[in-house]
Amino acid sequence: GQNIDQPTEMTATEGAIVQINCTYQTSGFNGLFWYQQHAGEAPTFLSYNVLDGLEEKGRFSSFLSRSKGYSYLLLKELQMKDSASYLCAVRDSGGYQKVTFGTGTKLQVIP
Amino acid sequence: DGGITQSPKYLFRKEGQNVTLSCEQNLNHDAMYWYRQDPGQGLRLIYYSQIVNDFQKGDIAEGYSVSREKKESFPLTVTSAQKNPTAFYLCASSTGTGRWPQHFGDGTRLSIL
Repeated sequence: GQNIDQPTEMTATEGAIVQINCTYQTSGFNGLFWYQQHAGEAPTFLSYNVLDGLEEKGRFSSFLSRSKGYSYLLLKELQMKDSASYLCAVRDSGGYQKVTFGTGTKLQVIP
Repeated sequence: DGGITQSPKYLFRKEGQNVTLSCEQNLNHDAMYWYRQDPGQGLRLIYYSQIVNDFQKGDIAEGYSVSREKKESFPLTVTSAQKNPTAFYLCASSTGTGRWPQHFGDGTRLSIL
């Protein structure tokens, strides 16, 4: 099975940097995804990590340590529109490619 | 344009009724998924399917059923056995392998009358 933990809520200031952590315990691992979800909407894909290290995409970066079962999403130069929930998801290594989501972190960006 | 279509957007169910949520994709994806989301919560996996005519139970399959007769379609039936069906239901698809993420439909909100 899989167990994924994220902080429930975070608050950060516009223009600042925020790091959202995700820890996971899984019987098999084939990649970790980060999604953004605005209230009442579907999640949208942000990033993917399968090897250890940092992946950078504009203002968003994601880091993975497989040995520690740990990932983080780094958001730079925060904007008000970044207020949303951020979901960590792990893909299983089994043949059925099961994807399990964490409970999500609700980020509030304040002026 | 390719994408995932869920219908209806809002659905109301009377006690004791079964209801079916539609999910259609034209992305030629092999894998399809159904998730349930409760207010302020993450996504919980109900069922998933890797190929036609095959599907697996997720973490909260009780009270739900699915079929995968065509690659493009993965309908979810919420049966009367599901005692607390009020939630936001999201359908997703992916190529199923590698770095390709899931694409999500816009969701269906199910409420009990």
